[in-house]
Amino acid sequence: DTEVTQTPKHLVMGMTNKKSLKCEQHMGHRAMYWYKQKAKKPPELMFVYSYEKLSINESVPSRFSPECPNSSLLNLHLHALQPEDSALYLCASSHEGQGKSPLHFGNGTRLTVT
Amino acid sequence: DAKTTQPPSMDCAEGRAANLPCNHSTISGNEYVYWYRQIHSQGPQYIIHGLKNNETNEMASLIITEDRKSSTLILPHATLRDTAVYYCIVRVVGGSQGNLIFGKGTKLSVKP
Repeated sequence: DTEVTQTPKHLVMGMTNKKSLKCEQHMGHRAMYWYKQKAKKPPELMFVYSYEKLSINESVPSRFSPECPNSSLLNLHLHALQPEDSALYLCASSHEGQGKSPLHFGNGTRLTVT
Repeated sequence: DAKTTQPPSMDCAEGRAANLPCNHSTISGNEYVYWYRQIHSQGPQYIIHGLKNNETNEMASLIITEDRKSSTLILPHATLRDTAVYYCIVRVVGGSQGNLIFGKGTKLSVKP
């Protein structure tokens, strides 16, 4: 079990669907992250939120839209995805976003785009 | 690009120490060495981190060379559950650059 909870664990969606991935932590962390991991590859950073504000967007296509409604929640809204977007989407949190504390990861949402 | 070099794979006998090397020859003074591992179908798990002194916790020990250009993660008594991909990461402390950028890692196989 991890202290970062991601739902759903698995998601299958068509290219015209709209869906959302959810992430929740109750450790009082103020930085939250989205990573994408393709099969047999390392995780790749997508977005960073620090104190509920988007601080890093690693040139992610606009069909991925992050949202941080409060300090405990992080969403990733998905729209008009392509089959190549199929991957494991990982959420993480840390005490702050300046490299001084470890990131804690959830177990991810495995997304399949058909 | 990742700033670390790790062997792609290693084997270790169950019950023996696993010593995982990492080269980070271009490390800067404000960069920490972090180690994570990822067991199949799970998210990455934090193991340990350090700046220049050796560190030990309940999971592992981290040995950093005096010039900080390389380090070794030591799992003192490897078990089958330690089979995973181990990532060595250098991470800037301070400012908006303190993000975790993963390299390819080392796939450690612990064998009975």
